[in-house]
Amino acid sequence: SQTIHQWPATLVQPVGSPLSLECTVEGTSNPNLYWYRQAAGRGLQLLFYSVGIGQISSEVPQNLSASRPQDRQFILSSKKLLLSDSGFYLCAWRGGPADAGPQHFGDGTRLSIL
Amino acid sequence: GQNIDQPTEMTATEGAIVQINCTYQTSGFNGLFWYQQHAGEAPTFLSYNVLDGLEEKGRFSSFLSRSKGYSYLLLKELQMKDSASYLCAVKDSNYQLIWGAGTKLIIKP
Repeated sequence: SQTIHQWPATLVQPVGSPLSLECTVEGTSNPNLYWYRQAAGRGLQLLFYSVGIGQISSEVPQNLSASRPQDRQFILSSKKLLLSDSGFYLCAWRGGPADAGPQHFGDGTRLSIL
Repeated sequence: GQNIDQPTEMTATEGAIVQINCTYQTSGFNGLFWYQQHAGEAPTFLSYNVLDGLEEKGRFSSFLSRSKGYSYLLLKELQMKDSASYLCAVKDSNYQLIWGAGTKLIIKP
């Protein structure tokens, strides 16, 4: 069966520091991968998605970036964090274009910027 | 623009039935999803509708009317563990999910 791993679970970072969040998927190949952010009490905001290695689509221009160095690995990065980057970050996967199924989420990373 | 509307919060009694509505206006339609999200946790998939009608899964059912741009999630025999936020999401013509802000459901004994 397919599983998704996301780490770390919580992170406290100072303003201006770099960020790297990692997500890996097991049990499937060529998944669609997604990074979302959720502010407290709010809905999900799509940040990036990827349909294949090295293919990244950005939905919201900001100081975050994403990379997909391997088929089942998705990384969210920042060179300098802002206070507004605080939130709950979720990685999700779905099967490729022929898959009409739902997105499945990792456990999330709660990021606090001080 | 694309828009999904859900009530912000609802309250119901343990053992009762509750209906959470979702209306949508999107560029194209390729299915509607309902997710459950407990506080501090990731969303988990509940149901999927792509054709009009009712889909039943145990205590949970989801209904879709494409002509009305409308769906609802019906929860029966409510339990305290059903206290959570319920997210409605529509897959648009580009096969991207458009998310509602979620409905916080509070269950009282």
